Amino acid sequence: AQSVTQLGSHVSVSEGALVLLRCNYSSSVPPYLFWYVQYPNQGLQLLLKYTTGATLVKGINGFEAEFKKSETSFHLTKPSAHMSDAAEYFCAVRGMNRDDKIIFGKGTRLHILP
Amino acid sequence: DAMVIQNPRYQVTQFGKPVTLSCSQTLNHNVMYWYQQKSSQAPKLLFHYYDKDFNNEADTPDNFQSRRPNTSFCFLDIRSPGLGDAAMYLCATSRGPELAVYNEQFFGPGTRLTVL
Repeated sequence: AQSVTQLGSHVSVSEGALVLLRCNYSSSVPPYLFWYVQYPNQGLQLLLKYTTGATLVKGINGFEAEFKKSETSFHLTKPSAHMSDAAEYFCAVRGMNRDDKIIFGKGTRLHILP
Repeated sequence: DAMVIQNPRYQVTQFGKPVTLSCSQTLNHNVMYWYQQKSSQAPKLLFHYYDKDFNNEADTPDNFQSRRPNTSFCFLDIRSPGLGDAAMYLCATSRGPELAVYNEQFFGPGTRLTVL
């Protein structure tokens, strides 16, 4: 079984500052990991994903995440926050089995301070 | 552009009055999902179709039904909406579990349901 924990339901950073959104997962099998972003009144958009291979994954809008198996983490970062990054961010995990479903974390709302 | 489309974007219904939400996709994906998302919560999977095979989540109320007449379309029927069913309903698609590396889900913009 898989589970996801996102630390911090709300995170505030100043414009231009580093963004760090934390995600820890639990999985009995090698996981697939995802970060999705949701803007107000919209669906979820995939930011990036880890399947296999390189543990540092680059996504859209300047975001990246690093898969650290020893820490069971997949934290999302961006060097310099923009006002347009204000949104809800969901970390998600899925196993490799056919019937595995995507399990979403509870989300972190990112606030950008001017 | 290939995409997932949901209509309408906003739906208002009355308590107990049946309502149908629509989802269509031009991605030709095998799997279509329906999620319910309440305010400030993660999406909750209601059910999904793998081709024509319907898979209901154990805790999805009987009040929620779904139809998938063809690959492109999937409908969510709420037979007797209650106030607690007010939420954003998200449709998503994916290529299919056997192609695990492609298993990201593509989401539509959602339909926000209000129950009066």
